[in-house]
Amino acid sequence: ETGVTQSPTHLIKTRGQQVTLRCSSQSGHNTVSWYQQALGQGPQFIFQYYREEENGRGNFPPRFSGLQFPNYSSELNVNALELDDSALYLCSMASDTDTQYFGPGTRLTVL
Amino acid sequence: AQSVTQPDIHITVSEGASLELRCNYSYGATPYLFWYVQSPGQGLQLLLKYFSGDTLVQGIKGFEAEFKRSQSSFNLRKPSVHRSDAAEYFCAASGGYNKLIFGAGTRLAVHP
Repeated sequence: ETGVTQSPTHLIKTRGQQVTLRCSSQSGHNTVSWYQQALGQGPQFIFQYYREEENGRGNFPPRFSGLQFPNYSSELNVNALELDDSALYLCSMASDTDTQYFGPGTRLTVL
Repeated sequence: AQSVTQPDIHITVSEGASLELRCNYSYGATPYLFWYVQSPGQGLQLLLKYFSGDTLVQGIKGFEAEFKRSQSSFNLRKPSVHRSDAAEYFCAASGGYNKLIFGAGTRLAVHP
């Protein structure tokens, strides 16, 4: 049990729609990262937020955006959904210990 | 380019047998190294991590990993596998509390 929670658990959207995924932790982790895990692959880094500022971004288009709130919870927003966006979206949280703890993920299906 | 390679996509072992999962990394400097386990439909659970110091790292669930700088490897081992160890295992590297670069994963099946 990492204490990192994500909502919703599952989500079905259609192509072109927008989606918001959420991540939170009971502990005071000040760094949140989002990853996309396509079926049969390892997670791919989307971006990281540190104290409400973006702190690094992977090779994902601008329609993937995020927010981190003062309580360190976070949102991942994806606009103009494409079929290839279907994946498990994982968030991880860390403090200054260099170890990221993952939530259970949100399974997004785009039809 | 930074990368993590897990050469074995699938491994099958018998319950009670020993296990070694391979991981090689390509990084500018010695990265922080991690092994995570993922059960079907679940998130990632940290098994162990290497930052510096002793090259043999002990983790949870009886797992250990050995860092070998000369081989750019960080292989995961367990002396006796249980059926509950069946899962997917990911090796990952980072330059700090920064983005994790994951391998493609090794799916472990355990035969009774």
